[in-house]
Amino acid sequence: DAKTTQPNSMESNEEEPVHLPCNHSTISGTDYIHWYRQLPSQGPEYVIHGLTSNVNNRMASLAIAEDRKSSTLILHRATLRDAAVYYCILKYYNQGGKLIFGQGTELSVKP
Amino acid sequence: GAVVSQHPSWVICKSGTSVKIECRSLDFQATTMFWYRQFPKQSLMLMATSNEGSKATYEQGVEKDKFLINHASLTLSTLTVTSAHPEDSSFYICSAREYGFRGPRGGANVLTFGAGSRLTVL
Repeated sequence: DAKTTQPNSMESNEEEPVHLPCNHSTISGTDYIHWYRQLPSQGPEYVIHGLTSNVNNRMASLAIAEDRKSSTLILHRATLRDAAVYYCILKYYNQGGKLIFGQGTELSVKP
Repeated sequence: GAVVSQHPSWVICKSGTSVKIECRSLDFQATTMFWYRQFPKQSLMLMATSNEGSKATYEQGVEKDKFLINHASLTLSTLTVTSAHPEDSSFYICSAREYGFRGPRGGANVLTFGAGSRLTVL
């Protein structure tokens, strides 16, 4: 199974951009790259997903490397409410749609 | 957007008793739901896949008789922790697949998660 590698933790200042990296060197051609985040004591929430092209939505942007072996989640202006654990997950369509979580990156935001 | 509700949000029980946790999809039908557990400072661990009208599929190492899953309708799945012991104390989280959900996320089988249920076994 293709794995993802993320830094254990990152720090950011409020209102500054944050770039959260994810390595997935063994990604297969049909794997989507999904990002979820989990705020303290809550269930995870969907952030963004992509396949090959960069993606933007109201929460964040996803930059995918041309060889798809890495991706970066971009929060354009971090707020205190963005402090969470961010998970980069490869979505395997041949496993019934389930998500396998890695360790994620714990993002702290300083005022 | 899609909402998944879990109940109870927290529960305390005595060792040896059974506890039921409900997971409901409020505004969409979920033929498939997933159950996770999470220990403090750890990631989510997938326990089982719950399929409406059929038996759940358990991940390796998860005891089927210990964690009973029932998915009797398109909007409700339940997890029953039988004969709970202190080591079963954990944060249990369900999720449902937004299959066919209208909108830009619908085609990617995005999962919507419940808020979680914290179980403490004394």
